[in-house]
Amino acid sequence: GENVEQHPSTLSVQEGDSAVIKCTYSDSASNYFPWYKQELGKGPQLIIDIRSNVGEKKDQRIAVTLNKTAKHFSLHITETQPEDSAVYFCAASRGGSSASKIIFGSGTRLSIRP
Amino acid sequence: KAGVTQTPRYLIKTRGQQVTLSCSPISGHRSVSWYQQTPGQGLQFLFEYFSETQRNKGNFPGRFSGRQFSNSRSEMNVSTLELGDSALYLCASSRTDPNYGYTFGSGTRLTVV
Repeated sequence: GENVEQHPSTLSVQEGDSAVIKCTYSDSASNYFPWYKQELGKGPQLIIDIRSNVGEKKDQRIAVTLNKTAKHFSLHITETQPEDSAVYFCAASRGGSSASKIIFGSGTRLSIRP
Repeated sequence: KAGVTQTPRYLIKTRGQQVTLSCSPISGHRSVSWYQQTPGQGLQFLFEYFSETQRNKGNFPGRFSGRQFSNSRSEMNVSTLELGDSALYLCASSRTDPNYGYTFGSGTRLTVV
């Protein structure tokens, strides 16, 4: 069945440095790859997503890259700030409302050191 | 506008009992999905409802069931609770297709003792 693997499970970076989280997926028909951020006591929040027709997408300090051949995608956060501390989840799905089973990775706990 | 509302926020149940959790999606959202979140397993997909019909289902036993009402509100039910059912249950809504982004609720923390 579908599977999404996420690494690392924990990540600690100095404030101002960059953080990278990597995910691989098993279903070659996947074409939608969202990233969610979960803060303590809250539900996950969509921060950025990418579809298979593009290789990279940026939104201010956040960027996501996709390599469909290798079936992996990554989240890049530059100039990290204390408010970036949270758990980040990658996910993948085939897209299309009739196949809308979005499978999540196991999460990365990101800590920003002051 | 109001977000996704899940009730109750916390619940303690005894093994063998059953439980019903409720989710009110954002107004205008017709798709509601449920996930189980545990420290070891991350976010596991339970099922998705759209227009009162189950559109997708994850790999959970039949003890886990759900339904959606005509106003898009959804409930999930777990019968014959087991200790391993202790988890945060998250509801997420989207307008019609989750592949344009979910809005999650804050979840219901279920503890089975």
